[in-house]
Amino acid sequence: AQSVTQLDSQVPVFEEAPVELRCNYSSSVSVYLFWYVQYPNQGLQLLLKYLSGSTLVKGINGFEAEFNKSQTSFHLRKPSVHISDTAEYFCAVIQGAQKLVFGQGTRLTINP
Amino acid sequence: EAGVAQSPRYKIIEKRQSVAFWCNPISGHATLYWYQQILGQGPKLLIQFQNNGVVDDSQLPKDRFSAERLKGVDSTLKIQPAKLEDSAVYLCASSPGGLLNYGYTFGSGTRLTVV
Repeated sequence: AQSVTQLDSQVPVFEEAPVELRCNYSSSVSVYLFWYVQYPNQGLQLLLKYLSGSTLVKGINGFEAEFNKSQTSFHLRKPSVHISDTAEYFCAVIQGAQKLVFGQGTRLTINP
Repeated sequence: EAGVAQSPRYKIIEKRQSVAFWCNPISGHATLYWYQQILGQGPKLLIQFQNNGVVDDSQLPKDRFSAERLKGVDSTLKIQPAKLEDSAVYLCASSPGGLLNYGYTFGSGTRLTVV
């Protein structure tokens, strides 16, 4: 079954610094990958998704992710973070036809 | 369009008590999901409905958890009796179908604390 592993449980960065949140997936013929963000006391919101085509995917709030088949990775990046980006970030993969399986999450903390 | 509504937002109960959560999906969304998110972990799927039928409940602890989706719209998730390890956020999500095209929309969740 498809699964994802998020390599960092917490990532602290300074405001306006770049950030990368790492996600690796279990290899498969076809894989569909997602990044979600969860702000405090809120539900999950879709940041971006990779279904096919260009390996560089752009999402909301200035985030982007690169699908790397050889490294089975789908890392999330942002060139300059803001305090408002403080949240929990989840990588997810479609398993079967109709359900998402999530990673453990990475807590992004932005320091002024 | 209105989002996925969940209630209550917070619930504190003693162990061995029962509790119920309610979810109203986006109008017209055929697929409904309940996820359990334990603190520090990613959401885990408990049950998936397609209209009013169960598609996947393989990870639902059926000795204490039950869920229904009458008339293919609202859904309730019940725990009876609750255990300390059931403390978590219970998230409801819905989709019109075709996960690749439409994705999920999540509700804000119900935070359950079992003491």
